[in-house]
Amino acid sequence: AQKVTQAQTEISVVEKEDVTLDCVYETRDTTYYLFWYKQPPSGELVFLIRRNSFDEQNEISGRYSWNFQKSTSSFNFTITASQVVDSAVYFCALSDVFNYGQNFVFGPGTRLSVLP
Amino acid sequence: GAVVSQHPSRVICKSGTSVKIECRSLDFQATTMFWYRQFPKQSLMLMATSNEGSKATYEQGVEKDKFLINHASLTLSTLTVTSAHPEDSSFYICSAASRRQPTNYGYTFGSGTRLTVV
Repeated sequence: AQKVTQAQTEISVVEKEDVTLDCVYETRDTTYYLFWYKQPPSGELVFLIRRNSFDEQNEISGRYSWNFQKSTSSFNFTITASQVVDSAVYFCALSDVFNYGQNFVFGPGTRLSVLP
Repeated sequence: GAVVSQHPSRVICKSGTSVKIECRSLDFQATTMFWYRQFPKQSLMLMATSNEGSKATYEQGVEKDKFLINHASLTLSTLTVTSAHPEDSSFYICSAASRRQPTNYGYTFGSGTRLTVV
């Protein structure tokens, strides 16, 4: 069965600090997708990244970076120089590749509070 | 591209009434649509998956007769909460995917509907 664990329930940092959100997943599939989403207080899901299991390269997008370690089944997300606008709940998710939507599992989320 | 529109964004209804939520893919044909439910401070849980023109597949524990899903066209899916009760109050969010445009997969979510049953 697919499972996503985000061990950090809540994190508080002061603005400009770097913060890493952890994500550990379980799957028997050899091919899968991993995602990160941001959910601000307004509720909508903001897509941040989708990574195919074949692609283990780390990715950087502005202040965001992702570290995919297949060996440890982790897909961690780092925000550099955090800002108050980064305050939100962040979800890591795992999905089957070939059966669209099936086995699309969200982690429990990490609530990030960035204090001014 | 790949925009999904969901409405209403908020709805308050009386206990015992039915509420319909619409999810539209605006610029692509969604061969599959998904409905999620999110209780306060919890994660999103998949309720059901619907493929255009066929019956929805419901996750275990989701009542088919209570949460009616219709996916009559490639651009529209509806979720009807029938005989709503206060425990149905939640945030409902849809997502759409297209086998013809696999690059869209995973980021086409609606903006959600906050349902409050009083």
